[in-house]
Order: sequence, then structure tokens, then C-alpha cells
Amino acid sequence: AQSVAQPEDQVNVAEGNPLTVKCTYSVSGNPYLFWYVQYPNRGLQFLLKYITGDNLVKGSYGFEAEFNKSQTSFHLKKPSALVSDSALYFCAVRDSGGGADGLTFGKGTHLIIQP
Amino acid sequence: EAEVAQSPRYKITEKSQAVAFWCDPISGHATLYWYRQILGQGPELLVQFQDESVVDDSQLPKDRFSAERLKGVDSTLKIQPAELGDSAMYLCASSLERGYSYEQYFGPGTRLTVT
Repeated sequence: AQSVAQPEDQVNVAEGNPLTVKCTYSVSGNPYLFWYVQYPNRGLQFLLKYITGDNLVKGSYGFEAEFNKSQTSFHLKKPSALVSDSALYFCAVRDSGGGADGLTFGKGTHLIIQP
Repeated sequence: EAEVAQSPRYKITEKSQAVAFWCDPISGHATLYWYRQILGQGPELLVQFQDESVVDDSQLPKDRFSAERLKGVDSTLKIQPAELGDSAMYLCASSLERGYSYEQYFGPGTRLTVT
């Protein structure tokens, strides 16, 4: 069985400071990893993914994430936070070798950027 | 930019009544997913279709839930009878194909309230 842990319910960051949203995962095979963002009463928007190759992946709106196989982590980062980044962020995983490919999501982390 | 369409956006129903949700995926996307998101949690997969065939419905409560994608395009998720615990956001997503690394694109969701 696969699982995702997002250890922080909420992360508070001052505008202009760097931000990190943490994610660790568990799969039996090689992982495909994703980050999504959700605004109030909206669906999920894709930010970025790691499939293979370079451990640092870049995505939408200046976000990036670093895959660390030894620590089974895929933390989301941004060098300089904007107030508009405030939203709910979900990390998700699927096993690359699985037959069905529905995603397993973490419980989400509320990111609050303070002006 | 193409989007996943869902209707209705909001639905209030009394317990023991029937309710149905509709999803139209992005044109050309062969794979369609239905997820349920309970408040404060991440989405959980209910069912996955490849064209008109069910790939995974292991988490679908089949005594009351049903899903179909008759022509391999749009899809309907039905609950009969609805229970109080079914109150949640129901999200539809689509991707180009299954078994690959393609990201899933989510619709705006249908928020169901069962009274």
C-alpha cells in the first residue's frame, strides 16, 4: 500500500521569505510524485511532478520540489513567497509499477503568507 | 485552456434520496477518475475508467455508489440512497492515458451536503 505524510497542518511565512512545505511518501516500487494546490471551493491545480531524472523539478508559479530517495521525501519550495501563494497544498504519489494509477494524497498543508 | 467540467457545483439532498453527478473530461483524455474529498482531508480515489472500462473500483462503496462512462467520454457518479456521511466534495479528474506519468487535471468539484 502507498501513503503520503504531510506533517504540518499549517505553515506561516512572511512575504518575500523562502517557503518549504514538507512531504514524505511510502511506495513499494519507484514513485511518481506530484504537488497540487487548491484554492477555496475549487478543484486541484497541478504544480509539478517528479517522474525520473534530475532530483530538482521546477513547476508553475516559481515553485520547485526536491526528490530525496534516501529520505523518501519530496518537499515543495519557493525562494520568495507571495501573498497570492496562500492556499492548501497537497502532495500525492503513485507507484510507477502499479496497474491502476489513482493518486494517493496527503491530508494537505495550509500555506499562509503574511504581508 | 481545456478544462474538466462538472455539474452541479453544489447539491443539497436529504438522506435516503438519490443523487447524481456529471463529469466531462478534457477532450481526448482516455482516463477518468472520481475522487471524494472529505473536509480537512486529501482526495481519495473512488473509481478509475480507461475509456468505457472500469480499471479500479476497489474503494467504491458498491452497495450505494455506481459509476458509468458509457461512450468513453463523459461520466456519471450516482449515490442511492445518500447517507449523512456522504457529505463531501466529489472531484472528477482526467489524464491523457493510464500507466504513464501523465498528470491528472481536476474539475471544480461538486459539493454534496446530505441533511
